[in-house]
Amino acid sequence: AQKITQTQPGMFVQEKEAVTLDCTYDTSDQSYGLFWYKQPSSGEMIFLIYQGSYDEQNATEGRYSLNFQKARKSANLVISASQLGDSAMYFCAMREVYNTDKLIFGTGTRLQVFP
Amino acid sequence: EAGVTQFPSHSVIEKGQTVTLRCDPISGHDNLYWYRRVMGKEIKFLLHFVKESKQDESGMPNNRFLAERTGGTYSTLKVQPAELEDSGVYFCASSQDGGFDANTGELFFGEGSRLTVL
Repeated sequence: AQKITQTQPGMFVQEKEAVTLDCTYDTSDQSYGLFWYKQPSSGEMIFLIYQGSYDEQNATEGRYSLNFQKARKSANLVISASQLGDSAMYFCAMREVYNTDKLIFGTGTRLQVFP
Repeated sequence: EAGVTQFPSHSVIEKGQTVTLRCDPISGHDNLYWYRRVMGKEIKFLLHFVKESKQDESGMPNNRFLAERTGGTYSTLKVQPAELEDSGVYFCASSQDGGFDANTGELFFGEGSRLTVL
């Protein structure tokens, strides 16, 4: 069965430092997509970055990059130069191409950025 | 352009009562999804509409939950009668293209409706 595992319930990072949020996944499908969403205290889910299973290069979006290691089934999110506004919950999610049109989420990691 | 809007933002009800949550997707989005996050656990899929039709309702927990999308616009999720374990945050999301988008497959989420059952 498809599953997303986020083993870090909470992380702390100092402003301007980089931080890595871990995500591992389990699927038997060859075609899938991996996502990271940010949920600030306001509640909305904000899409950050996407990686397709056939993409050869790691996805990057501004200060966000996805460290995709297919053989290890990991899709870690790297935030460079952390800002105070990055403090939020971060969810990793997976979507299989052919089996379903839904996202499978992990339990999330709460990131706190301190000055 | 307005994003996905959900109402109410927070509802507190007693066990046995009824609550109806509403979601207005982004205009023109045929796909509408409901998800739920129970405290401390993962966000779980509930169901998926394509226009007014239920495409996948495999995540609906039981028959106390009823989702509708009359006319293929806004959707409602009714819980009747509510139980303590129904407490959580209910998210609605919408997307324009069905299936897998090769570029992002992005779903646009609302801010969620927090339900507290006492």
